[in-house]
Amino acid sequence: EAQVTQNPRYLITVTGKKLTVTCSQNMNHEYMSWYRQDPGLGLRQIYYSMNVEVTDKGDVPEGYKVSRKEKRNFPLILESPSPNQTSLYFCASNPSGKGRNEQFFGPGTRLTVL
Amino acid sequence: GQSLEQPSEVTAVEGAIVQINCTYQTSGFYGLSWYQQHDGGAPTFLSYNALDGLEETGRFSSFLSRSDSYGYLLLQELQMKDSASYFCAVRATTSGTYKYIFGTGTRLKVLA
Repeated sequence: EAQVTQNPRYLITVTGKKLTVTCSQNMNHEYMSWYRQDPGLGLRQIYYSMNVEVTDKGDVPEGYKVSRKEKRNFPLILESPSPNQTSLYFCASNPSGKGRNEQFFGPGTRLTVL
Repeated sequence: GQSLEQPSEVTAVEGAIVQINCTYQTSGFYGLSWYQQHDGGAPTFLSYNALDGLEETGRFSSFLSRSDSYGYLLLQELQMKDSASYFCAVRATTSGTYKYIFGTGTRLKVLA
């Protein structure tokens, strides 16, 4: 089944404790993104990657890191989480950054930073 | 800055037609998309317009006018299951790469 998976689905952590949210897609897509969703603010792109080893900042990259060493995986790293990073996070992929804009979203990760 | 504006909430009755508007201000426009998100779920793709005009997919249609920086999603024969949030999104370019800008979403309530 074609899908985007994220882990963990739920995470409660404390300020300053490094964490990684994994994202994997099995559709051989080139383009992958991370978004955060907050009430009233819609989806905001954190980082995106147009292909392996090619990443760039979205609109809200502060406090986050990403890497793209393999085509299928795009982990999101919070080196020192803070309470303002409490949010619902979505990973998404699409075949490329061009053409039809159909993004496939993972199920989401709800993160709480205390 | 880059932004998309859409109404925060729309209410309609079952069987009716509803239109959700989206105006955008972005650099390097490369298409307008629409996504549906049910409570507790992930966004799912509905439609995409790269050129001016109407695109129809079953009960859903989407329209784009690039000269007006405007588009809309039209939902016909509304059903209770259409109650969800709807987001417009633009693919914009910056320095040769492509980023996505989403609107803040329109919550559609369908009443029986």
